[in-house]
Amino acid sequence: DAGITQSPRHKVTETGTPVTLRCHQTENHRYMYWYRQDPGHGLRLIHYSYGVKDTDKGEVSDGYSVSRSKTEDFLLTLESATSSQTSVYFCAISESSQPQHFGDGTRLSIL
Amino acid sequence: GENVEQHPSTLSVQEGDSAVIKCTYSDSASNYFPWYKQELGKRPQLIIDIRSNVGEKKDQRIAVTLNKTAKHFSLHITETQPEDSAVYFCAAADSSYKLIFGSGTRLLVRP
Repeated sequence: DAGITQSPRHKVTETGTPVTLRCHQTENHRYMYWYRQDPGHGLRLIHYSYGVKDTDKGEVSDGYSVSRSKTEDFLLTLESATSSQTSVYFCAISESSQPQHFGDGTRLSIL
Repeated sequence: GENVEQHPSTLSVQEGDSAVIKCTYSDSASNYFPWYKQELGKRPQLIIDIRSNVGEKKDQRIAVTLNKTAKHFSLHITETQPEDSAVYFCAAADSSYKLIFGSGTRLLVRP
């Protein structure tokens, strides 16, 4: 398995609270991605990073921010969580033209 | 932007039969097409991928074909086994490496 660790694996929180999900890699890959997975929608890209401090938006970036201060860590923040952000969140990594490999996911429930 | 459509949404086959899943994409700039398998509660795992400079790629019982003119690509699984039961996702990316996923196909292989 690719060296990707997502934390926490499960989280339940309330509407309006801030939430931060962490993705940590040990592969020293340049690219990191955050996706959300919802029934009927497959995986949708939220944000991605192509280097330290270099990030860009994906398909569904509204309500989310990211930061990458070190090669190995990519953080996803929900500034004020809403029920529509209840989902399973996957982090992925890749190196240039190589395939993306996924972490085990974080199941986030917002009540 | 890119749009990927995947069919069928569910597929049930008898063990030993073949299964075919089809995807179409809209952006002619897309040049990389991976397929992922996801078992219940697990991460998506890459099973095969193809780049736009080839028309077909095989790996044991799995093959992928690409028709750039028609903008469609397909996954073929021969001699299906119960352990092939899972959700399969196609995806497309251009040189930005941002994957756009189809909505998934739930494959059931009946023993």
